[in-house]
Amino acid sequence: KNQVEQSPQSLIILEGKNCTLQCNYTVSPFSNLRWYKQDTGRGPVSLTIMTFSENTKSNGRYTATLDADTKQSSLHITASQLSDSASYICVVSARSGTYKYIFGTGTRLKVLA
Amino acid sequence: KAGVTQTPRYLIKTRGQQVTLSCSPISGHRSVSWYQQTPGQGLQFLFEYFSETQRNKGNFPGRFSGRQFSNSRSEMNVSTLELGDSALYLCASSPVASGDYNEQFFGPGTRLTVL
Repeated sequence: KNQVEQSPQSLIILEGKNCTLQCNYTVSPFSNLRWYKQDTGRGPVSLTIMTFSENTKSNGRYTATLDADTKQSSLHITASQLSDSASYICVVSARSGTYKYIFGTGTRLKVLA
Repeated sequence: KAGVTQTPRYLIKTRGQQVTLSCSPISGHRSVSWYQQTPGQGLQFLFEYFSETQRNKGNFPGRFSGRQFSNSRSEMNVSTLELGDSALYLCASSPVASGDYNEQFFGPGTRLTVL
């Protein structure tokens, strides 16, 4: 069964600290993996998109990694800011004829001053 | 460029009613996808339209339907509403159809409450 699991469910860190969010998936056949940031009351915003052959992708202070062998991805946030407080959602696409999008339930990050 | 717009932003309906939600994609985008987001299930894919054709469909009952017009605007309809349909309905647009690198731009969503 295609599944995407994210951990932790929620996380509280102090401003300026780094953190890493995890995403494990059992999706086949794998097409790509995306990380989204969703602020409360708003739609998700794409942070990174990675295909099978990509190990790392950065977007400012956000760095995503992908290990296609172990089917794991992580999102590392460096020098966190108050504006990083949001939900972070991992989405894995499977392609079997048409695309299927399997969403994780997200990690809710709270950055405190 | 204006972003994805969704109307209405908030909606309250009662069980058994039907509802139509609207999505206007970013100018020039031809793909529109719809998602349902609930606290318990997270985001779930409903369907994707590209050039007025349904290209992809998630695992939702036939009460959920959609369409896309020639100007790429899309509507989603839910008939015979149930309490469990209460959710945030998100629309996302993309210049091209689903693919490895197509980036989706989400609208703010329509918050539907079914009483």
